[in-house]
Amino acid sequence: NAGVIQTPRHKVTGKGQEATLWCEPISGHSAVFWYRQTIVQGLEFLTYFRNQAPIDDSGMPKERFSAQMPNQSHSTLKIQSTQPQDSAVYLCASSIGTGGEQYFGPGTRLTVL
Amino acid sequence: QQKVQQSPESLIVPEGGMASLNCTSSDRNVDYFWWYRQHSGKSPKMLMSIFSNGEKEEGRFTVHLNKASLHTSLHIRDSQPSDSALYLCAASRTGGYKVVFGSGTRLLVSP
Repeated sequence: NAGVIQTPRHKVTGKGQEATLWCEPISGHSAVFWYRQTIVQGLEFLTYFRNQAPIDDSGMPKERFSAQMPNQSHSTLKIQSTQPQDSAVYLCASSIGTGGEQYFGPGTRLTVL
Repeated sequence: QQKVQQSPESLIVPEGGMASLNCTSSDRNVDYFWWYRQHSGKSPKMLMSIFSNGEKEEGRFTVHLNKASLHTSLHIRDSQPSDSALYLCAASRTGGYKVVFGSGTRLLVSP
């Protein structure tokens, strides 16, 4: 079991460019979560899927952020027109059920210049 | 919207000392509490969980839960420099509700 896989591990974009982050959850886990973490804001919930269906996106900045889960083996987080304030570590986690132990991936460190 | 409050925000304890971290949920229906540990540059990893009133011990780590007050605490005895990390508390309840994380307590164990 390789755990939750996130790619890329590091991404640098220029202001206004698009960034797509990938997550492969642990096989058999039905829930997939996306978080953003910075020193100042801490761990912020963005969105989650259960059995590939979007359930709660209350933490997503509405205008430029979107997430999808086209199949049970991967989810993507897309940020359009990236801004310096989007710089953060983006963490993906999966769990067997919605309220159970979450297994985190190594994260993608996004730097927007 | 459930909130999970952690205190203190940061804590410094000497090597060999006792570290005590606190966490309270605002949701009266919460059923489960989790403690995650995140070392610098790493991702969070579940440390301990507690579902029933009382105490649970694993090595140097002890977790207490008081469901009536929706309060849990994590105690680390004989703290080691390797215990220095961000400790995140999380709470959830049955019925398909998502886990909610607190903002964390940053622990530094000084040699």
